[in-house]
Amino acid sequence: EVQLLESGGGLVQPGGSLRLSCAASGFTFSSYAMSWVRQAPGKGLEWVSAISGNEYYADSVKGRFIISRDNSKNTLYLQMDSLRAEDTAVYYCAKRGGANWNFDYWGQGTLVTVSS
Amino acid sequence: DIQMTQSPSSVSASVGDRVTITCRASQGISNWLAWYQQKPGKAPKLLIYAASSLQSGVPSRFSGSRSGTDFTLIISSLQPEDFATYYCQQANSFPLTFGGGTKVEIK
Repeated sequence: EVQLLESGGGLVQPGGSLRLSCAASGFTFSSYAMSWVRQAPGKGLEWVSAISGNEYYADSVKGRFIISRDNSKNTLYLQMDSLRAEDTAVYYCAKRGGANWNFDYWGQGTLVTVSS
Repeated sequence: DIQMTQSPSSVSASVGDRVTITCRASQGISNWLAWYQQKPGKAPKLLIYAASSLQSGVPSRFSGSRSGTDFTLIISSLQPEDFATYYCQQANSFPLTFGGGTKVEIK
């Protein structure tokens, strides 16, 4: 059974940093591209970043967030620096489904709150 | 960036109704479109990928189609567990983008 478990969320002040982790199990992690998608409170879904052989970022986080993975630990990361109030959201990690950049499995999400 | 315009933003329907949700891409995305269902407090769930392919385990009352840059999700006979918010997502190019969502509510 595929499982994705995010951790690392919490309350951080504007300008601060946070690192999210996503522990994967139930599939060959190294063989699949992964992504982060966020959802601000009461709002829709927003794609944040993806990693395959390359890394991709939304303009809203480019230069502030870094996506990475450790295939030996089956873990996906998102390093978030220079956080802003508008980064407040539930952050989901998601597994790419096959050849498409759609997402067939999602974690339960971790809440990041940026506030003073 | 490719904009995904989803409509309606909400729909009230009864059990057994046929519900249609549409998504228009601002430029061509071939068949690279997915549909998701999200219930409150839960992660999204993939329903349809490649515009019309049903994800494993998803009931056959869900279907998807494409006409040019217009995409449609149809729920043929709404069930109580289908009351949720639905999102489209283009999977053609980065940045990946989602539609604004359609909330399917009980009439």
